[in-house]
Amino acid sequence: GAVVSQHPSRVICKSGTSVKIECRSLDFQATTMFWYRQFPKQSLMLMATSNEGSKATYEQGVEKDKFLINHASLTLSTLTVTSAHPEDSSFYICSARDPNRPSYNEQFFGPGTRLTVL
Amino acid sequence: SQQGEEDPQALSIQEGENATMNCSYKTSINNLQWYRQNSGRGLVHLILIRSNEREKHSGRLRVTLDTSKKSSSLLITASRAADTASYFCATDALEAGTALIFGKGTTLSVSS
Repeated sequence: GAVVSQHPSRVICKSGTSVKIECRSLDFQATTMFWYRQFPKQSLMLMATSNEGSKATYEQGVEKDKFLINHASLTLSTLTVTSAHPEDSSFYICSARDPNRPSYNEQFFGPGTRLTVL
Repeated sequence: SQQGEEDPQALSIQEGENATMNCSYKTSINNLQWYRQNSGRGLVHLILIRSNEREKHSGRLRVTLDTSKKSSSLLITASRAADTASYFCATDALEAGTALIFGKGTTLSVSS
């Protein structure tokens, strides 16, 4: 099946630093990737839709200047948390659709990145 | 954005019992999917049911979908301690290429 990887799996950083998280589709090309955030004991909240070659579309309430998304190639999207603060500590999960899959829209999830901001 | 509600929020049962979780959503959908997540881990896709299907089975899992009520249920039969996890429904909108939207989830605890 289609595989999506994320790197790093865990990151601990100091308040005020920026952290970059990578999301890669390993065996398919993804024109669209999605970024979710999950706080402890809560569900996944969609942050943004990452489109290859164009600007990301952010959900209401998500600061685009704080969460920079770059989808520079068909297999890689990056999420940069700028000037991270403790309240940004969360589990970040990306997903991608394989356009060659059947029309009922299977979405493949990365394993997630645990961000802890001290 | 979040599509729906799940109930119960938490469910505790004994091994061997059945567990039923419900999910309601708000908009028209292409399909509905159920995922499992063990604590601190990634998502595991369980089952997908299309909008024109009413029931689907996979092993010990049974999913129903009622599009008129905008609701779905997940039944796990003969539960095991290893089924302990959080379960989420996720809806796929009619518009192609959009993201899955997740419900709030049910935390299932199965004790032996």
